[in-house]
Amino acid sequence: QSVLTQPPSMSAAPGQKVTISCSGSTSNIETHYVSWYQQLPGTAPKLLIYDNNKRPSGIPDRFSGSKSGTSATLGITGLQTGDEADYYCATWDSSLNAGVVFGGGTTLTVL
Amino acid sequence: QLQESGPGLVKPSGTLSLTCAVSGGSISSTNWWSWVRQPPGQGLEWIGEIYHSGSTNHNPSLTSRVTISVDKFKNQFSLRLNSVTAADTAVYYCATGIVTGSSGTFDIWGRGTMVTVSS
Repeated sequence: QSVLTQPPSMSAAPGQKVTISCSGSTSNIETHYVSWYQQLPGTAPKLLIYDNNKRPSGIPDRFSGSKSGTSATLGITGLQTGDEADYYCATWDSSLNAGVVFGGGTTLTVL
Repeated sequence: QLQESGPGLVKPSGTLSLTCAVSGGSISSTNWWSWVRQPPGQGLEWIGEIYHSGSTNHNPSLTSRVTISVDKFKNQFSLRLNSVTAADTAVYYCATGIVTGSSGTFDIWGRGTMVTVSS
């Protein structure tokens, strides 16, 4: 069971917008920066968002990130079939069990 | 770039050993070097990280079995996981964060290597 909670799956139509939530606690999301990753089948994860809402070079502005309190959100607009993937949030947890923690992942289906 | 290497098959109760070669940059740069694993069909799990000074942080659930080391001369870092069981079967990735020093941010990943624990 992951420290960060994500919905296991979501679906939306091409062109639509989707938001993926990541719920944590005061020892992780509320206190530390959140990152988001996209993982296509059979490939390594790819960084989409870091420091809550920043995009690395090359990541289109269709992808956005936000954080409020103990929750973070990844937004994807103008959905494309190529966005079908698993999405993970991650951050540091500074509780007694300190370390990097990942969400359980959300499988996005673009219908 | 990062490239993992090591045996793809390890016997139960044995030791899993992997190396991550760093190219195009120095392992002595100001970033932490991590290991992340992913069991088949499951999510990502952080194993631990090391700084070029040798300082380490480990996942508390694995810390008793994990050793992460760095070899600055070979520009690589390594993972050893002992007393392995079938639950340690996973794709193992090495990763690091260059774009920011924030923990949990990995913008450089290896391609991953599958390690199976089986007799």
